[in-house]
Amino acid sequence: DQQVKQNSPSLSVQEGRISILNCDYTNSMFDYFLWYKKYPAEGPTFLISISSIKDKNEDGRFTVFLNKSAKHLSLHIVPSQPGDSAVYFCAASASDYKLSFGAGTTVTVRA
Amino acid sequence: KAGVTQTPRYLIKTRGQQVTLSCSPISGHRSVSWYQQTPGQGLQFLFEYFSETQRNKGNFPGRFSGRQFSNSRSEMNVSTLELGDSALYLCASSSQTGGYGYTFGSGTRLTVV
Repeated sequence: DQQVKQNSPSLSVQEGRISILNCDYTNSMFDYFLWYKKYPAEGPTFLISISSIKDKNEDGRFTVFLNKSAKHLSLHIVPSQPGDSAVYFCAASASDYKLSFGAGTTVTVRA
Repeated sequence: KAGVTQTPRYLIKTRGQQVTLSCSPISGHRSVSWYQQTPGQGLQFLFEYFSETQRNKGNFPGRFSGRQFSNSRSEMNVSTLELGDSALYLCASSSQTGGYGYTFGSGTRLTVV
């Protein structure tokens, strides 16, 4: 049972524009959310996280928004750069600490 | 400092065989977690070890097992391989238990034929 869902398998965006990645979750016990970025032939690398006590966290070009009532979070990348082309995974954890991942969204930034 | 090292990088096995994958965590990290990545399924949690004890286990059959040694290195074993076990197996280490502060290795690509 997929508790974390990324319904868009792919996203294509022009360089310099905003990339918006969406993630929905079903488990109301999740209290910590993370985004990971993965290049081919490499392991995922941590990008940004947010605790359930916040609704926004910003780190440079990356901002994560959390809407607990809708069980929805999103990642905004502004401006998008060619090096941002990768697979992005949304992940969530509850008190049991194990991470549940979404299926990933492949982002392609066009020049 | 050295990252998380997984060996081997690639592996081809025949259905019915068994396989052992290895993960060396970042020095000082005591938590090692294993994930299976398949197309369209994202990363599925297998198990987590912390100080040689299994702390968490995902919903995988008993054919999947693991262990952690006193130096924090971990091995994952899959017995009686099935075609559906073909996947990228990722190991992540952390200084604390749970999903915080993960550093992932590059993975072992297992193909079962």
